Amino acid sequence: GEDVEQSLFLSVREGDSSVINCTYTDSSSTYLYWYKQEPGAGLQLLTYIFSNMDMKQDQRLTVLLNKKDKHLSLRIADTQTGDSAIYFCAEGITGGGNKLTFGTGTQLKVEL
Amino acid sequence: NAGVTQTPKFQVLKTGQSMTLQCAQDMNHEYMSWYRQDPGMGLRLIHYSVGAGITDQGEVPNGYNVSRSTTEDFPLRLLSAAPSQTSVYFCASSFTFTGGTFDTQYFGPGTRLTVL
Repeated sequence: GEDVEQSLFLSVREGDSSVINCTYTDSSSTYLYWYKQEPGAGLQLLTYIFSNMDMKQDQRLTVLLNKKDKHLSLRIADTQTGDSAIYFCAEGITGGGNKLTFGTGTQLKVEL
Repeated sequence: NAGVTQTPKFQVLKTGQSMTLQCAQDMNHEYMSWYRQDPGMGLRLIHYSVGAGITDQGEVPNGYNVSRSTTEDFPLRLLSAAPSQTSVYFCASSFTFTGGTFDTQYFGPGTRLTVL
């Protein structure tokens, strides 16, 4: 079955880098996503990576994928207080009807 | 474009009551879905639709009904609310559903439902 796991909390100082980790179990995953949820709001897509890629960089965001270990990470450089939110990883499968399996979410707290 | 809208934002029900959570999108998206978010469990798919007149069950469909009579609207019905249905409900939509190419899902702001 599909299972996506994340650690629940992460606390960093402003200006430091944040690394949020995710593990998944379905080896047939085609693409993996990172979503951000701010308090009281819906989910906002941050970035995604196809399963045939190892890394993707998008401004302050770097996504690393280790397909062998089924491990996905999101690095946020120069973390700001506005980055405080819950971050969800999600996996999707080709032909899966665009259905996503979400992780439990990691709450990132950025301290001054 | 308003994107994905959901009403109401908050709702309190008594056990056994029924209600409908509304979801609408103005982006002409074919695919729409309902998720529930519970603490420590991420989002779980309740029902989804790949187009008007077509719906299917997700991971946790029991206790919920859906219909898709138009492309724009995808209401979620609770026929007899139970405390276990206390959750935050999100509606999402995307242009296509093939899954063969990347297809962004846009989420609504959510409905917080409490069942007493």
